[in-house]
Amino acid sequence: NAGVTQTPKFQVLKTGQSMTLQCAQDMNHNSMYWYRQDPGMGLRLIYYSASEGTTDKGEVPNGYNVSRLNKREFSLRLESAAPSQTSVYFCATYSGLNTEAFFGQGTRLTVV
Amino acid sequence: EDQVTQSPEALRLQEGESSSLNCSYTVSGLRGLFWYRQDPGKGPEFLFTLYSAGEEKEKERLKATLTKKESFLHITAPKPEDSATYLCAVQAFAGAGSYQLTFGKGTKLSVIP
Repeated sequence: NAGVTQTPKFQVLKTGQSMTLQCAQDMNHNSMYWYRQDPGMGLRLIYYSASEGTTDKGEVPNGYNVSRLNKREFSLRLESAAPSQTSVYFCATYSGLNTEAFFGQGTRLTVV
Repeated sequence: EDQVTQSPEALRLQEGESSSLNCSYTVSGLRGLFWYRQDPGKGPEFLFTLYSAGEEKEKERLKATLTKKESFLHITAPKPEDSATYLCAVQAFAGAGSYQLTFGKGTKLSVIP
């Protein structure tokens, strides 16, 4: 039982390059989330998907796109990476109201 | 707008020295308050959920409490392995059957042997 799996764990990009961060969960949860974590800023919500086929913007969506491929997978895409997107990205999932969220191990992204 | 403020930002304790971490919040329609522990290089790990004022939950040396405006995480006789960043989050309804978690910036706890 892997829980929430993120790939890759580490990535270095050049400014302007694109990439997709992958997240897969085997917990059969409806809701999936993407957060970024920066020193002194805490965890900030980028995008979320309440259920398969729906996505919504969070607090800091600019520069990102998402795809809820199916119930298990939720990807985050950077079309043209910028140094300001250097961060640790976390995927989370939970089944709904009054339940805790489960987090992946994170993807550490550096944009140079 | 939902807001979560944690204090202090950092806390250094001697082993065995009890203390408390604070999480104050403003949210419309609180559905739950969550405490997480995060170790360096890892994702947050769930500790507690609190739903209503007056509620308390305990786990080993940790006890979480909730009032209408804030929550406390009490650490009794801490050990070095309790060193971590502790995150507080509030869950609120976001519309269309979805819920969002809004996090505080965390308290970095260091327990010195």
